[in-house]
Amino acid sequence: SQTIHQWPATLVQPVGSPLSLECTVEGTSNPNLYWYRQAAGRGLQLLFYSVGIGQISSEVPQNLSASRPQDRQFILSSKKLLLSDSGFYLCAWSGQGEYYGYTFGSGTRLTVV
Amino acid sequence: AQSVAQPEDQVNVAEGNPLTVKCTYSVSGNPYLFWYVQYPNRGLQFLLKYITGDNLVKGSYGFEAEFNKSQTSFHLKKPSALVSDSALYFCAVSLRYTGGFKTIFGAGTRLFVKA
Repeated sequence: SQTIHQWPATLVQPVGSPLSLECTVEGTSNPNLYWYRQAAGRGLQLLFYSVGIGQISSEVPQNLSASRPQDRQFILSSKKLLLSDSGFYLCAWSGQGEYYGYTFGSGTRLTVV
Repeated sequence: AQSVAQPEDQVNVAEGNPLTVKCTYSVSGNPYLFWYVQYPNRGLQFLLKYITGDNLVKGSYGFEAEFNKSQTSFHLKKPSALVSDSALYFCAVSLRYTGGFKTIFGAGTRLFVKA
């Protein structure tokens, strides 16, 4: 069966420090991968998505970047965190079609202090 | 513009009563419709989806949703609410466009079920 792993679960980082969040998927190949941010337990903001290795699309220009070094690995990074980067970050994967739906990771609670 | 609306920020219902969480959409083409649930500090979990066929779709945890094409709605329902149903619910629409597909999530509706 397919599983998605996201870590760490919580992270407290000082302003100006770097960030690396990792997400891996098992049990499927060539998934679409996504990074979302959720502020204050409400709506989802799509940050990045990837349809293949090295293919990254950015939805919102900001202080973050994403990379997909392997088929089932998706990394969210920042060189220098801002206070406004605090939030709940969710990784998700889907099949290559609009009828599959998404499977989400368990999320990372990032607090920038 | 393509959009998904969940008109209620919050829905309150007593345990044992039926619940409805509303979702309407405005998209071109034939969308695929989904409901997800999110418990505190967790990722979203898939509940159910409408692809084609019967307008009434049954999903996990006793939830169901009715697709209404004329009203462009996909309301989530459950005949008898449980306290454990209290969570944040998201409606989503996926549709194909040139070059791929896109999923639009609603803003979410928080459901409180009171004992």
